[in-house]
Amino acid sequence: ETGVTQSPTHLIKTRGQQVTLRCSSQSGHNTVSWYQQALGQGPQFIFQYYREEENGRGNFPPRFSGLQFPNYSSELNVNALELDDSALYLCASSFRGGTGELFFGEGSRLTVL
Amino acid sequence: ILNVEQSPQSLHVQEGDSTNFTCSFPSSNFYALHWYRWETAKSPEALFVMTLNGDEKKKGRISATLNTKEGYSYLYIKGSQPEDSATYLCAPGPIIQGAQKLVFGQGTRLTINP
Repeated sequence: ETGVTQSPTHLIKTRGQQVTLRCSSQSGHNTVSWYQQALGQGPQFIFQYYREEENGRGNFPPRFSGLQFPNYSSELNVNALELDDSALYLCASSFRGGTGELFFGEGSRLTVL
Repeated sequence: ILNVEQSPQSLHVQEGDSTNFTCSFPSSNFYALHWYRWETAKSPEALFVMTLNGDEKKKGRISATLNTKEGYSYLYIKGSQPEDSATYLCAPGPIIQGAQKLVFGQGTRLTINP
């Protein structure tokens, strides 16, 4: 096990609602990344946080936002949910200054109806 | 936009047989190449991070090679076992320390038949 925990594991929302997903990083890691995996695709990079600031963003609209806290835990917020937001959301922590490998949580599966 | 292709998309192998699959990526501006194994209902787990052309890494029965000049990496599994059944993902990423913006392929889903 990686030590990265995500919550909730599953949730169902309706279109237009807002959702917050949470991630607790592995001890000693200072960087957290969020990925979206839609059905049949590989994980797609949403953004990364380092020292509580966004440090790189993928091709996702501004309604996807995040936070990193002093204890390196993190949140992913999605506003105005759309049907296409239905996916598995993966959080991954890493240590800047290390090998670069990511340590993933098991993901939060979001269904938007 | 970085285009990462993995082939085949799925693979069925008899227990005990060896197998390999491919990850292709643009060779320009290469950074590092990551391989992850993702078992059903678990989290993706790092296998290898490779940075140098010609690099070859091994972990037990699994090994990987890297050709940055032509933009491909091979993953080999020797003597497949049922526990090798998983999706194998590759992702080029920055060579700077701290993985950032990895671009994942769709993965190769490997099923080992007993």
